[in-house]
Amino acid sequence: EVQLVQSGAEVKKPGESLKISCTGSGYSFSSYYIAWVRQMPGKGLEWMGIIYPGDSDTTYSPSFQGQVTISADKSTSTAYLQWSSLKASDTAMYYCARRSLEAVAGNWVYWFDPWGQGTLVTVSS
Amino acid sequence: QSVLTQPPSASGTPGQRVTISCSGSSSNIGSNTVDWYQQVPGPAPKLLIYNNNQRPSGVPDRFSGSKSGTSASLAISGLQSEDEADYYCAAWDDSPNGPVFGGGTKLTVL
Repeated sequence: EVQLVQSGAEVKKPGESLKISCTGSGYSFSSYYIAWVRQMPGKGLEWMGIIYPGDSDTTYSPSFQGQVTISADKSTSTAYLQWSSLKASDTAMYYCARRSLEAVAGNWVYWFDPWGQGTLVTVSS
Repeated sequence: QSVLTQPPSASGTPGQRVTISCSGSSSNIGSNTVDWYQQVPGPAPKLLIYNNNQRPSGVPDRFSGSKSGTSASLAISGLQSEDEADYYCAAWDDSPNGPVFGGGTKLTVL
């Protein structure tokens, strides 16, 4: 079974650092992009960035560039999302998701499946 | 403000057919395929439709997707109480070369 398992909920204070993880199993982790998606309380989904574990090629959403760091360790099939200095506004649920793809009529078709179960990050003084 | 536009809410009675719209632009829906995700309160989003109208294994055929130009829609026929959830459309955007999501539509089964 293809699955992504994320690290547990975190409660942090403003200014602290944090690194959360997403471990893949049941497939070749190095061969598929992993995306990170934020969901603030009561809000929708926002793409933060995406990484190819095979060579750590990473693209950030302009909204999150410089705010977080995405990395991956293909030897442990794990992707990471980290903050150097958390803010209260970072309070949210964070999901990782595998980008699947298929060639259709000469074009690449992308979708996200599966998703991790989510990691709730609470930042409060 | 989300890049893709969805109605914030939709509703229907059991057995009814409901459609949810998703509007984008030439850089996303207009040039790439559309996915739909279902999020029941609590769990993570789940893939419902990919490549505009393809259903993954296990998704009932009551769910269908379509796309025309820069808009897409999700249709749910034979509405059931278990369909009560938030629904998000998504598409790859050529700039900034990443996915964009709709704001989500909360479906209520009356």
